[in-house]
Amino acid sequence: DAKTTQPPSMDCAEGRAANLPCNHSTISGNEYVYWYRQIHSQGPQYIIHGLKNNETNEMASLIITEDRKSSTLILPHATLRDTAVYYCIVRVNNAGNMLTFGGGTRLMVKP
Amino acid sequence: GAVVSQHPSWVICKSGTSVKIECRSLDFQATTMFWYRQFPKQSLMLMATSNEGSKATYEQGVEKDKFLINHASLTLSTLTVTSAHPEDSSFYICSARDLEKLFFGSGTQLSVL
Repeated sequence: DAKTTQPPSMDCAEGRAANLPCNHSTISGNEYVYWYRQIHSQGPQYIIHGLKNNETNEMASLIITEDRKSSTLILPHATLRDTAVYYCIVRVNNAGNMLTFGGGTRLMVKP
Repeated sequence: GAVVSQHPSWVICKSGTSVKIECRSLDFQATTMFWYRQFPKQSLMLMATSNEGSKATYEQGVEKDKFLINHASLTLSTLTVTSAHPEDSSFYICSARDLEKLFFGSGTQLSVL
């Protein structure tokens, strides 16, 4: 799996958009970009994933640059409950492939 | 999304005893499940890959005789921490794949006294 680089921490005001960057300059053509988050003392929660097109679901939007070397997770209206560690992971989609977690970004949403 | 149920949520045990943690995929079948361990303020570290009907694959440095994994059915994998010691105290999390996504259990906090 390609290595990812994320800022260790970020702050965001409640109600504002949270933009979490991720660099994955060594990503391969068949690797997807996945985002998970982990709220304190819970298991990681799937957020979104994509290959090269931008993706949106009820939780977030994923913007992947054209060269696929970086991406941004956008939480459009952050709430206090979005305070968590966010992990950006790149991986090939096959049955036996686990997720390798890096350090992630600790997002603190403040009132 | 798919649900992975993990039990117990927390357990306290005496040193030298064994503890079993269960991981179930509730609405899908999982031929492969993964077990992670997480120490305070650290990221998740993969311990082993659990394969239904066959032996688990352990990561380097993880003792297979200490962390026994059984994946007897397509919806259940168990992790048994044998002869637990205080240094085994950690947050254990299981994961199972459904289509393109991996889903995680809620985790088990193990405290060994």
